[in-house]
Amino acid sequence: SQELEQSPQSLIVQEGKNLTINCTSSKTLYGLYWYKQKYGEGLIFLMMLQKGGEEKSHEKITAKLDEKKQQSSLHITASQPSHAGIYLCGAEGGSARQLTFGSGTQLTVLP
Amino acid sequence: GAGVSQSPSNKVTEKGKDVELRCDPISGHTALYWYRQSLGQGLEFLIYFQGNSAPDKSGLPSDRFSAERTGGSVSTLTIQRTQQEDSAVYLCASSSRTGSGNTIYFGEGSWLTVV
Repeated sequence: SQELEQSPQSLIVQEGKNLTINCTSSKTLYGLYWYKQKYGEGLIFLMMLQKGGEEKSHEKITAKLDEKKQQSSLHITASQPSHAGIYLCGAEGGSARQLTFGSGTQLTVLP
Repeated sequence: GAGVSQSPSNKVTEKGKDVELRCDPISGHTALYWYRQSLGQGLEFLIYFQGNSAPDKSGLPSDRFSAERTGGSVSTLTIQRTQQEDSAVYLCASSSRTGSGNTIYFGEGSWLTVV
C-alpha cells in the first residue's frame, strides 16, 4: 500500500517568514492533494497536482509536484497567523480511488 | 447546500450502543468517501462509493462498521456495539471526476465520543 511521509511534523515560524512542507510518497503519484485542517472545521481543499512538474498557486501558497522524486512541496510565502493549522497531503494511487494521507504537519505562526 | 454536509456534528454515546452518522454529498458528485481520524492520528480510509458500483469496503476496521448509500446520494455510516476505541472524527468526502482531475471535498466531520 502507498505511504506518505510528511516533514516536518511540526513547524513554528515567525509571522512574515517563508516556509516549506514536504510530502514524499513510497509509490508513484497519480494525483497529489493538499488540505488544511483546523480544529472543528474539517479539511479545507487547497489544491491538487496531477502532472510531473506541475505547480499551482493560491494567494501565498504554492505547491509543486516532482513526479520523478515522488514528492510534493507546499511553500508559504510571508506567513500569517491565519495560515496556522495542520497541513495534510493526500495521494491517489493507481486503481485505488481512495486517498492515502500523510500524518500531517502542524504549523504555528507566531504574531 | 454548497458543501458536504455531515450530521450530527457531535455525538456522545455509551459503550455498546449503536450510532448512525449521516453524510449528504455535494449535489451531482458520484463518488463518496468515509474516513476516520483518531486523536493525533492521520486519516484512515474506511469505505468508498462510486455511482452504482459495488463499494470498496477494504478500510472498514471490523464487521461492526457498515455503510450504505441510498439513491446514489446520502450515505449513512453505522457503528454497532460501539467501543471506546471508536472515538474519533468521522469525515465524509465527495468528488466528481472532471477533466481537470478528481477534486475531493470534505465535510466538517462528525465527532464521536464513546464513554
